[in-house]
Amino acid sequence: EAGVAQSPRYKIIEKRQSVAFWCNPISGHATLYWYQQILGQGPKLLIQFQNNGVVDDSQLPKDRFSAERLKGVDSTLKIQPAKLEDSAVYLCASSWGGGSNYGYTFGSGTRLTVV
Amino acid sequence: GQQLNQSPQSMFIQEGEDVSMNCTSSSIFNTWLWYKQDPGEGPVLLIALYKAGELTSNGRLTAQFGITRKDSFLNISASIPSDVGIYFCAGHQGNQFYFGTGTSLTVIP
Repeated sequence: EAGVAQSPRYKIIEKRQSVAFWCNPISGHATLYWYQQILGQGPKLLIQFQNNGVVDDSQLPKDRFSAERLKGVDSTLKIQPAKLEDSAVYLCASSWGGGSNYGYTFGSGTRLTVV
Repeated sequence: GQQLNQSPQSMFIQEGEDVSMNCTSSSIFNTWLWYKQDPGEGPVLLIALYKAGELTSNGRLTAQFGITRKDSFLNISASIPSDVGIYFCAGHQGNQFYFGTGTSLTVIP
């Protein structure tokens, strides 16, 4: 099966600019996650979708980050305006369900550098 | 969020040696996963553990779910150069998996 697709792979922007990332999960996977991975750390959950509804966005900095999953398939994550500390790899993952029996499949990530 | 501490933070070993790493937390988890991440790529699932005390193998990899449900370990036998990477544990609680701090493994040929 095709994996989780993410684009772009790399992005360099200046602080205060806007940026958007795109994710296409594995076909049929109802649950989609966006993670932020800062260099040298493990991934941290930003937002979780079940189909097109938000399950958990408690760790999403909502003053600057937004995400949507229209039609319950593809998803976009946006940062507006970006700060230097947003430099990280943004990973998208998907799974069949949101329970603990479902391991996640990750995409290759988008590496964001804010200068 | 939940804190998962992995040790050691990094390891340098000779090809052919066995490797052991662990993951501990003050919280109880009902599922443990182990992932490997290569540079520039997303984490790839290696092993999933669903029951306290469970011991599961996947080729040269063996992982165990601690009896207290607060820890897990991963062993790699007879390491090879392609084992190089960062290994993450992840514990499930509520509706999400929480990831550890990672163990970086370097295998010297």
